[in-house]
Amino acid sequence: DAGVIQSPRHEVTEMGQEVTLRCKPISGHNSLFWYRQTMMRGLELLIYFNNNVPIDDSGMPEDRFSAKMPNASFSTLKIQPSEPRDSAVYFCASSLGETQYFGPGTRLLVL
Amino acid sequence: GEDVEQSLFLSVREGDSSVINCTYTDSSSTYLYWYKQEPGAGLQLLTYIFSNMDMKQDQRLTVLLNKKDKHLSLRIADTQTGDSAIYFCAEKDYGQNFVFGPGTRLSVLP
Repeated sequence: DAGVIQSPRHEVTEMGQEVTLRCKPISGHNSLFWYRQTMMRGLELLIYFNNNVPIDDSGMPEDRFSAKMPNASFSTLKIQPSEPRDSAVYFCASSLGETQYFGPGTRLLVL
Repeated sequence: GEDVEQSLFLSVREGDSSVINCTYTDSSSTYLYWYKQEPGAGLQLLTYIFSNMDMKQDQRLTVLLNKKDKHLSLRIADTQTGDSAIYFCAEKDYGQNFVFGPGTRLSVLP
């Protein structure tokens, strides 16, 4: 079992650039979650999908953020344009039933 | 909305027991969880308990649930330096809505 896979693991970019984070959930899991973690705000749920359909995106900060899940094995979180305050660790997690498993995260730094 | 609260810090001596506490507000919680996060890593699922249980034991870990008071605790027996981490409490309702607490930073002193 490979677990949840995220790429890249680290990303450094300049303000105004587009950033795309990628996630491959655990095979067979039907729900996928994107979280953001910062020291100030802790762990925040951005959006989650069930069977590839976005269910709750109320945590997405603003229109600069968008997420897609074109199929059951892949999701992207895009930030365009990026800003320094977007610097954080972004986690993807997947679940089937009662257990949710996290990926290793993408550490994003926007200069 | 639902809320999960935890104390932010806990320090214990190596070899002692650690007890990390959590309270939640959602009456319709079905499962409650403990996750561990080590520096630079993702959240690792440690254990979880169904809401109709009051205790679950897994090696050095004991989870106690008081559903009436909406209180969850995690006891780590014989705490080791490798247990130093942030511990997150979380609850899930009947859907896929997972709500996490702020995390408790456990420091194990030699």
